[in-house]
Amino acid sequence: SSELTQDPAVSVALGQTVRITCQGDSLRTFYASWYQQKPRQAPILVIYAKNNRPSGIPDRFSGSNSGNTASLTITGAQAEDEADYYCSSRDSSNSLWLFGGGTKLTVL
Amino acid sequence: QVQLVQSGAEVKKPGASVRVSCKASGYTFTNYDLNWVRQAAGQGLEWMGWMNPYSGNTGSAQKFQGRVTMTRDTSISTAYMELTNLRSEDTAVYYCARLLVVRGGGNTLDIWGQGTVLTVAS
Repeated sequence: SSELTQDPAVSVALGQTVRITCQGDSLRTFYASWYQQKPRQAPILVIYAKNNRPSGIPDRFSGSNSGNTASLTITGAQAEDEADYYCSSRDSSNSLWLFGGGTKLTVL
Repeated sequence: QVQLVQSGAEVKKPGASVRVSCKASGYTFTNYDLNWVRQAAGQGLEWMGWMNPYSGNTGSAQKFQGRVTMTRDTSISTAYMELTNLRSEDTAVYYCARLLVVRGGGNTLDIWGQGTVLTVAS
Protein backbone atom coordinates (compact mmCIF):
# COMPACT_ATOMS: atom_id res chain seq x y z
CA SER A 1 0.00 0.00 0.00
CA SER A 2 1.18 3.53 -0.59
CA GLU A 3 -0.70 5.55 1.98
CA LEU A 4 -0.32 6.62 5.57
CA THR A 5 -3.45 8.05 7.18
CA GLN A 6 -3.51 10.56 10.03
CA ASP A 7 -6.29 12.52 11.69
CA PRO A 8 -6.10 16.11 10.42
CA ALA A 9 -6.37 17.74 13.85
CA VAL A 10 -6.15 16.85 17.50
CA SER A 11 -6.33 19.01 20.63
CA VAL A 12 -5.10 18.46 24.16
CA ALA A 13 -5.34 20.43 27.38
CA LEU A 14 -2.07 21.73 28.76
CA GLY A 15 -0.37 19.05 30.83
CA GLN A 16 -2.59 16.23 29.62
CA THR A 17 -1.71 13.25 27.46
CA VAL A 18 -2.44 13.02 23.75
CA ARG A 19 -2.02 10.25 21.23
CA ILE A 20 -1.59 10.87 17.51
CA THR A 21 -2.08 7.88 15.25
CA CYS A 22 -0.95 6.82 11.81
CA GLN A 23 -2.38 3.92 9.84
CA GLY A 24 -1.02 2.11 6.82
CA ASP A 25 -0.20 -1.33 5.50
CA SER A 26 3.51 -0.49 5.32
CA LEU A 27 3.55 -0.20 9.11
CA ARG A 28 3.17 -3.97 9.35
CA THR A 29 6.69 -4.18 7.90
CA PHE A 30 8.44 -0.93 8.75
CA TYR A 31 8.50 1.24 11.84
CA ALA A 32 7.12 4.74 11.65
CA SER A 33 9.13 7.87 12.20
CA TRP A 34 7.49 10.96 13.64
CA TYR A 35 8.38 14.53 12.76
CA GLN A 36 7.36 17.75 14.44
CA GLN A 37 7.02 20.83 12.28
CA LYS A 38 6.34 24.32 13.51
CA PRO A 39 5.32 27.15 11.18
CA ARG A 40 8.05 28.23 8.77
CA GLN A 41 10.47 25.64 10.14
CA ALA A 42 11.91 22.41 8.82
CA PRO A 43 10.61 19.12 10.22
CA ILE A 44 12.40 17.75 13.27
CA LEU A 45 12.63 14.05 14.01
CA VAL A 46 11.08 13.23 17.40
CA ILE A 47 10.60 9.44 17.34
CA TYR A 48 12.05 6.70 15.15
CA ALA A 49 12.33 2.91 14.96
CA LYS A 50 10.66 1.02 17.79
CA ASN A 51 10.59 3.95 20.25
CA ASN A 52 13.81 5.94 19.94
CA ARG A 53 14.21 9.63 20.63
CA PRO A 54 17.01 11.64 19.07
CA SER A 55 19.22 13.58 21.41
CA GLY A 56 17.46 16.65 22.74
CA ILE A 57 13.91 15.38 22.34
CA PRO A 58 12.07 15.42 25.69
CA ASP A 59 11.09 12.10 27.18
CA ARG A 60 7.42 13.10 27.18
CA PHE A 61 7.47 11.98 23.54
CA SER A 62 7.09 8.25 22.97
CA GLY A 63 6.11 5.93 20.16
CA SER A 64 4.40 2.59 19.80
CA ASN A 65 3.36 0.21 17.05
CA SER A 66 0.61 -2.37 16.69
CA GLY A 67 -0.32 -4.07 13.46
CA ASN A 68 -0.90 -1.41 10.85
CA THR A 69 -1.01 1.47 13.33
CA ALA A 70 1.76 3.61 14.79
CA SER A 71 1.16 6.06 17.59
CA LEU A 72 2.95 9.09 18.94
CA THR A 73 2.13 9.86 22.55
CA ILE A 74 2.92 13.11 24.32
CA THR A 75 2.61 12.69 28.07
CA GLY A 76 2.10 16.04 29.74
CA ALA A 77 1.76 18.21 26.65
CA GLN A 78 3.40 21.63 26.79
CA ALA A 79 2.51 24.79 24.93
CA GLU A 80 5.65 24.42 22.83
CA ASP A 81 4.40 21.06 21.55
CA GLU A 82 1.76 22.80 19.46
CA ALA A 83 2.79 21.92 15.90
CA ASP A 84 2.06 19.73 12.92
CA TYR A 85 3.12 16.11 13.32
CA TYR A 86 3.89 13.84 10.39
CA CYS A 87 4.42 10.11 10.37
CA SER A 88 6.61 8.44 7.77
CA SER A 89 7.75 4.98 6.77
CA ARG A 90 9.13 3.08 3.85
CA ASP A 91 6.42 1.73 1.56
CA SER A 92 5.71 -2.00 1.59
CA SER A 93 8.01 -2.63 -1.38
CA ASN A 94 10.80 -0.66 0.32
CA SER A 95 11.23 1.50 -2.76
CA LEU A 96 10.10 4.91 -1.57
CA TRP A 97 9.23 6.99 1.48
CA LEU A 98 5.65 7.62 2.51
CA PHE A 99 4.39 10.50 4.59
CA GLY A 100 1.09 10.86 6.35
CA GLY A 101 -0.98 13.92 5.69
CA GLY A 102 -0.05 15.42 9.04
CA THR A 103 -1.90 16.10 12.28
CA LYS A 104 -2.23 19.62 13.61
CA LEU A 105 -1.89 19.50 17.39
CA THR A 106 -3.46 22.31 19.38
CA VAL A 107 -2.55 22.67 23.06
CA LEU A 108 -5.41 24.35 24.90
CA GLN B 1 27.43 19.76 14.86
CA VAL B 2 25.76 17.68 12.19
CA GLN B 3 23.87 19.89 9.79
CA LEU B 4 22.66 20.33 6.27
CA VAL B 5 22.67 23.85 4.88
CA GLN B 6 20.71 24.56 1.72
CA SER B 7 20.96 27.27 -0.89
CA GLY B 8 18.75 30.33 -0.88
CA ALA B 9 15.32 31.04 -2.28
CA GLU B 10 14.73 30.87 -6.00
CA VAL B 11 12.21 32.44 -8.35
CA LYS B 12 11.83 30.80 -11.74
CA LYS B 13 9.58 31.07 -14.74
CA PRO B 14 7.52 28.16 -16.02
CA GLY B 15 9.60 25.87 -18.20
CA ALA B 16 12.87 26.81 -16.53
CA SER B 17 15.09 24.63 -14.36
CA VAL B 18 16.33 25.05 -10.81
CA ARG B 19 19.24 23.56 -8.92
CA VAL B 20 19.14 23.41 -5.14
CA SER B 21 22.26 22.62 -3.14
CA CYS B 22 22.61 20.92 0.22
CA LYS B 23 25.95 21.19 2.02
CA ALA B 24 26.69 18.65 4.73
CA SER B 25 28.92 19.24 7.71
CA GLY B 26 29.75 17.50 10.97
CA TYR B 27 29.77 13.99 9.51
CA THR B 28 31.26 11.97 6.66
CA PHE B 29 29.22 13.03 3.64
CA THR B 30 29.67 9.77 1.73
CA ASN B 31 28.45 7.56 4.57
CA TYR B 32 24.78 8.54 4.45
CA ASP B 33 22.19 8.65 1.68
CA LEU B 34 20.47 11.97 1.12
CA ASN B 35 16.81 12.32 0.31
CA TRP B 36 14.82 15.20 -1.14
CA VAL B 37 11.37 16.09 0.15
CA ARG B 38 9.15 19.01 -0.81
CA GLN B 39 6.21 20.78 0.78
CA ALA B 40 3.77 23.06 -0.96
CA ALA B 41 2.26 25.87 1.09
CA GLY B 42 -0.24 24.51 3.59
CA GLN B 43 0.31 20.97 2.38
CA GLY B 44 2.06 17.86 3.63
CA LEU B 45 5.47 16.41 2.92
CA GLU B 46 6.16 14.75 -0.42
CA TRP B 47 9.17 12.50 -1.03
CA MET B 48 10.98 13.14 -4.28
CA GLY B 49 14.02 10.89 -4.38
CA TRP B 50 17.34 9.78 -2.92
CA MET B 51 21.02 9.73 -3.71
CA ASN B 52 23.93 7.72 -2.38
CA PRO B 53 26.78 10.25 -2.16
CA TYR B 54 29.43 7.52 -2.24
CA SER B 55 28.32 5.80 -5.45
CA GLY B 56 26.22 8.52 -6.98
CA ASN B 57 23.32 6.08 -7.36
CA THR B 58 19.91 7.70 -7.32
CA GLY B 59 16.24 6.85 -7.32
CA SER B 60 13.13 8.98 -7.52
CA ALA B 61 9.41 8.85 -7.09
CA GLN B 62 7.64 7.98 -10.30
CA LYS B 63 5.99 11.39 -10.35
CA PHE B 64 9.36 13.11 -10.82
CA GLN B 65 11.13 10.66 -13.07
CA GLY B 66 12.46 12.41 -16.13
CA ARG B 67 12.40 15.83 -14.44
CA VAL B 68 14.63 15.42 -11.39
CA THR B 69 18.37 14.84 -11.30
CA MET B 70 20.36 14.37 -8.12
CA THR B 71 24.13 14.77 -8.12
CA ARG B 72 26.91 15.50 -5.69
CA ASP B 73 30.38 16.98 -5.33
CA THR B 74 32.14 14.95 -2.68
CA SER B 75 35.08 17.37 -2.57
CA ILE B 76 32.84 19.96 -0.95
CA SER B 77 30.33 17.59 0.72
CA THR B 78 27.47 19.03 -1.29
CA ALA B 79 24.47 17.41 -2.91
CA TYR B 80 22.38 18.95 -5.65
CA MET B 81 18.83 18.46 -6.82
CA GLU B 82 17.90 19.79 -10.23
CA LEU B 83 14.27 20.00 -11.29
CA THR B 84 13.50 20.81 -14.92
CA ASN B 85 10.50 21.97 -16.91
CA LEU B 86 9.14 23.82 -13.89
CA ARG B 87 5.44 24.53 -13.54
CA SER B 88 3.46 26.52 -11.02
CA GLU B 89 2.64 23.35 -9.10
CA ASP B 90 6.35 23.00 -8.28
CA THR B 91 6.15 26.07 -6.05
CA ALA B 92 7.13 24.66 -2.67
CA VAL B 93 9.78 24.44 0.00
CA TYR B 94 12.40 21.84 -0.89
CA TYR B 95 14.27 19.97 1.83
CA CYS B 96 17.24 17.65 1.82
CA ALA B 97 17.30 15.06 4.59
CA ARG B 98 19.89 12.53 5.71
CA LEU B 99 19.00 8.85 5.91
CA LEU B 100 19.87 7.09 9.14
CA VAL B 101 19.94 3.32 8.71
CA VAL B 102 18.50 1.47 11.68
CA ARG B 103 18.49 -2.31 11.86
CA GLY B 104 15.13 -4.02 11.88
CA GLY B 105 13.15 -1.76 9.59
CA GLY B 106 13.52 1.52 11.45
CA ASN B 107 15.33 3.65 8.89
CA THR B 108 14.59 7.31 9.29
CA LEU B 109 15.40 10.79 7.97
CA ASP B 110 17.21 12.17 10.96
CA ILE B 111 18.75 15.47 9.87
CA TRP B 112 16.97 17.99 7.66
CA GLY B 113 18.17 21.06 5.86
CA GLN B 114 16.49 24.38 6.58
CA GLY B 115 14.58 24.30 3.31
CA THR B 116 14.79 26.21 0.04
CA VAL B 117 11.77 28.16 -1.15
CA LEU B 118 11.08 27.82 -4.85
CA THR B 119 8.54 30.05 -6.52
CA VAL B 120 7.52 29.31 -10.09
CA ALA B 121 5.62 32.19 -11.63
CA SER B 122 5.45 34.02 -14.91
